[in-house]
Amino acid sequence: DTEVTQTPKHLVMGMTNKKSLKCEQHMGHRAMYWYKQKAKKPPELMFVYSYEKLSINESVPSRFSPECPNSSLLNLHLHALQPEDSALYLCASSPPGRTNTEAFFGQGTRLTVV
Amino acid sequence: GNSVTQMEGPVTLSEEAFLTINCTYTATGYPSLFWYVQYPGEGLQLLLKATKADDKGSNKGFEATYRKETTSFHLEKGSVQVSDSAVYFCALASGGGADGLTFGKGTHLIIQP
Repeated sequence: DTEVTQTPKHLVMGMTNKKSLKCEQHMGHRAMYWYKQKAKKPPELMFVYSYEKLSINESVPSRFSPECPNSSLLNLHLHALQPEDSALYLCASSPPGRTNTEAFFGQGTRLTVV
Repeated sequence: GNSVTQMEGPVTLSEEAFLTINCTYTATGYPSLFWYVQYPGEGLQLLLKATKADDKGSNKGFEATYRKETTSFHLEKGSVQVSDSAVYFCALASGGGADGLTFGKGTHLIIQP
């Protein structure tokens, strides 16, 4: 299995809703990432988990709350989002024990906040 | 800090033309370099990579050589196809740990039949 799987593919939510994005990989990768990508822009790093511990939080607003329940799963909990948070949210993972390694990306969740 | 600079485009070419997308970088230490491709409505796919100076990455007819002396990693393909139309991102990983990737702004490539 060489995939990173994200669900759902599309999500429309109101500004008062609570929703979660899910990401799963079974490649034995021990680093997992959340990126945000606006249209015609490169991905921007949000969070990094290394061995299930949050290692990087790029000053992301608290309305985004990451969670790593185990080495295969990564969630992003969303609450009280703003329309400007509409974007493609990408999950990625990378192998353990190797420096400066590539990341493998999922297909993304297209989020629209109304 | 780390940075990646690439031509933004759009770059429009005819089918079977030669492609070059320039990429230069600034990084501490010895970064690994990557090209990712993103088709409309999809995530990023790793196209090729190089982990040390003078390495050549190649895949699907695309090539790029890690040039430390010019801090460059230009993407080339000898004969492009309509199916190569996509956005191409140059990226680097540095720092040794799981710090995430630094991306260029992306180059939108359009191939016309």
